[in-house]
Amino acid sequence: NAGVTQTPKFQVLKTGQSMTLQCAQDMNHNSMYWYRQDPGMGLRLIYYSASEGTTDKGEVPNGYNVSRLNKREFSLRLESAAPSQTSVYFCATAMYRDISTDTQYFGPGTRLTVL
Amino acid sequence: AQSVTQLGSHVSVSEGALVLLRCNYSSSVPPYLFWYVQYPNQGLQLLLKYTTGATLVKGINGFEAEFKKSETSFHLTKPSAHMSDAAEYFCAVSDTGGFKTIFGAGTRLFVKA
Repeated sequence: NAGVTQTPKFQVLKTGQSMTLQCAQDMNHNSMYWYRQDPGMGLRLIYYSASEGTTDKGEVPNGYNVSRLNKREFSLRLESAAPSQTSVYFCATAMYRDISTDTQYFGPGTRLTVL
Repeated sequence: AQSVTQLGSHVSVSEGALVLLRCNYSSSVPPYLFWYVQYPNQGLQLLLKYTTGATLVKGINGFEAEFKKSETSFHLTKPSAHMSDAAEYFCAVSDTGGFKTIFGAGTRLFVKA
């Protein structure tokens, strides 16, 4: 079992370019999440998907879009990258609808730099 | 609104010494509390969590945390630090039935030989 995988591991973009971050899980989990991690700010939720076919905004959704392609895959798209989106992006998954009693499993992260 | 404050962005201890990482939370409803650990260039891993019941929670790698409602705290401790404990630790809070986990800013633990 690979768990939660993310591609790419590293990416450098120029301002205005677009890209899609991919996340896949083989844990048969229902919920999937995208976070960004910035120094001194912990992790902030960008978007989440409670189940296949649904997505909702988190704390910092501006400048991002998501797609829950199927139960396994949850992608994050930057349509027009900005330097403020330089960050480390983590995908996470959880089995149940209620993450307050469940464990989130995190991928290894994607380090994105926007010049 | 919920929030988490981790006191000290960096903590340094000697190998074998007590580890104490502080976390205070704010929540208008009974909270669910978590500690996660992040090793360099890796994702977060769950150390332990408090949902209901016993207020002293034991986790992996010898860590434990105590939920103190009166102090709105959930401090993480380990009696004896190992070099392998060097990592960043995040406290987090979630409300009942919520999807949104709020993370603290993190505390980086350094362990000196």
